[in-house]
Amino acid sequence: GENVEQHPSTLSVQEGDSAVIKCTYSDSASNYFPWYKQELGKRPQLIIDIRSNVGEKKDQRIAVTLNKTAKHFSLHITETQPEDSAVYFCAASHGGYQKVTFGTGTKLQVIP
Amino acid sequence: DVKVTQSSRYLVKRTGEKVFLECVQDMDHENMFWYRQDPGLGLRLIYFSYDVKMKEKGDIPEGYSVSREKKERFSLILESASTNQTSMYLCASSLENQAHEQYFGPGTRLTVT
Repeated sequence: GENVEQHPSTLSVQEGDSAVIKCTYSDSASNYFPWYKQELGKRPQLIIDIRSNVGEKKDQRIAVTLNKTAKHFSLHITETQPEDSAVYFCAASHGGYQKVTFGTGTKLQVIP
Repeated sequence: DVKVTQSSRYLVKRTGEKVFLECVQDMDHENMFWYRQDPGLGLRLIYFSYDVKMKEKGDIPEGYSVSREKKERFSLILESASTNQTSMYLCASSLENQAHEQYFGPGTRLTVT
């Protein structure tokens, strides 16, 4: 089955700096790569996703990149703000009809 | 606005008890999922269902069963609760062809003593 590894497990950055979270996956058939954000005490929420036919996708201060050859994808947050503090999960799936395998999460702390 | 609700936010049960966790979604989603969340282990899939009365094992189904008698409701059952099932349980739902876009419930913190 699919295996998703995520690094780092914790990340502290100064407000205004950038944060990068990296994930690798094992199944070359995976073609959907969503990212979820879970604030303290709240439920996970989808923030962005990328499909395998796209190398990069941006949404305001958030961007995701995908390298299919190397089987890794990353989340980039620029100009971090305290409200970006949360646990971020990457995930991979074979397609819309298949289950999703999550990474172990990255706890991001943005220091004011 | 998608709403996924879970029957309890906190639950305390004794070892050996049968435990039912209920999840209801109001957006007519075909897919429903049960995860457990433990520190350092992320979200691990227990079971999922892509239609009424259909179920598929996830990555950690041992000690659990599920029931989906109606489209909007997905139940997780712990036949005989054990202390290693103390965890946060999260339910989620999605459209049938968008399993990567899941909507989560608020979670149930289960403690088995």
